[in-house]
Amino acid sequence: GQQVMQIPQYQHVQEGEDFTTYCNSSTTLSNIQWYKQRPGGHPVFLIQLVKSGEVKKQKRLTFQFGEAKKNSSLHITATQTTDVGTYFCAGVGDSGAGSYQLTFGKGTKLSVIP
Amino acid sequence: GAGVSQSPSNKVTEKGKDVELRCDPISGHTALYWYRQSLGQGLEFLIYFQGNSAPDKSGLPSDRFSAERTGGSVSTLTIQRTQQEDSAVYLCASSLASAGRGTDTQYFGPGTRLTVL
Repeated sequence: GQQVMQIPQYQHVQEGEDFTTYCNSSTTLSNIQWYKQRPGGHPVFLIQLVKSGEVKKQKRLTFQFGEAKKNSSLHITATQTTDVGTYFCAGVGDSGAGSYQLTFGKGTKLSVIP
Repeated sequence: GAGVSQSPSNKVTEKGKDVELRCDPISGHTALYWYRQSLGQGLEFLIYFQGNSAPDKSGLPSDRFSAERTGGSVSTLTIQRTQQEDSAVYLCASSLASAGRGTDTQYFGPGTRLTVL
């Protein structure tokens, strides 16, 4: 079945440093979504990417969808303590069967040292 | 407006007992999803409802797990004869509609933390 791998599992950065998490799928995706889960909270939707090579920005966050639609990245510029949390990518397969099922990566837990 | 609500927020049960977890999706959302999140892990897909029907039950880990949705709204996830490995946070999410492509934003509830002693 479809697998979504996310690296790194953990990342500790000094406040002000940049942060990147990478997501790779074993199969081509129709779209990919990113979620953020604060400590003790539930996942909250950040963004969805649909087109090959798509790049979207939200303030200090930059999301990319690979040309082959099998990988994605989230980059945070100049991290702040409010960025702390676990970032999940979730992909929808492009194979038809099970295409409504979001497969989540295991997440990257970001710690920001003030 | 109101978001997705789940009850109870916490449930402690003894091994072998049955538990029922409830999810109230956002009004008007036709798609409903159940996930399980073990400590420090990602989200494990359990089941998906479109209206009252469940096209995909493939994620249910065993026949001890079942779910239903009535009236296209509230859903209950039932775990029979609970085991310690069932301990996790059970998250429910809903989305406005799913044209079979899972492209709609999923809004998550706060989850039910289940502890099986």
